[in-house]
Amino acid sequence: RKEVEQDPGPFNVPEGATVAFNCTYSNSASQSFFWYRQDCRKEPKLLMSVYSSGNEDGRFTAQLNRASQYISLLIRDSKLSDSATYLCVVNRAGSYQLTFGKGTKLSVIP
Amino acid sequence: NAGVTQTPKFRVLKTGQSMTLLCAQDMNHEYMYWYRQDPGMGLRLIHYSVGEGTTAKGEVPDGYNVSRLKKQNFLLGLESAAPSQTSVYFCASTHWRLDENEQFFGPGTRLTVL
Repeated sequence: RKEVEQDPGPFNVPEGATVAFNCTYSNSASQSFFWYRQDCRKEPKLLMSVYSSGNEDGRFTAQLNRASQYISLLIRDSKLSDSATYLCVVNRAGSYQLTFGKGTKLSVIP
Repeated sequence: NAGVTQTPKFRVLKTGQSMTLLCAQDMNHEYMYWYRQDPGMGLRLIHYSVGEGTTAKGEVPDGYNVSRLKKQNFLLGLESAAPSQTSVYFCASTHWRLDENEQFFGPGTRLTVL
């Protein structure tokens, strides 16, 4: 089983739609969780960290379920500018390394 | 602040040639990383450094060497390039603190090995 797994998509959604991305991780020792965003032919950039209690940043909501080893990202009221690949990222306790999922591609259509 | 910069942006090599990719950061970060990104494979860690003068292997280190002689620079070397090393290479850096562990990435180097 891969350490971080994501649905590759692509997700094609109309403007204004709500879309949810899921991610599972295999190592129960994982302690830090993130969503990064990568635009086409650009570098990844941090979108948001994911906290145990769940957290929200504007239209974006991240959830963590440690028991199920599951992370989610919800995007409400999708904009054309949300079109990108979303990377689920995990860090193991005691490690200075991040493990990246392969990413889920989102296309928001006018 | 320039953040993380990478040199060169593009390069074409022939099999067997060598080259060095340079990563520089001006954020005084202790930790630096080299990743490669291939279609369908995601980002994979090649080597990393937790401070000046230190290096460690990541997930896919074979065929690469690194050096961190100065805190702000992290060099990735290919001694004898192979077509399998055709990829996009990203450098990243971070403080790695509990409240400040975002990795900042450079713009990438697109390498083609013929």
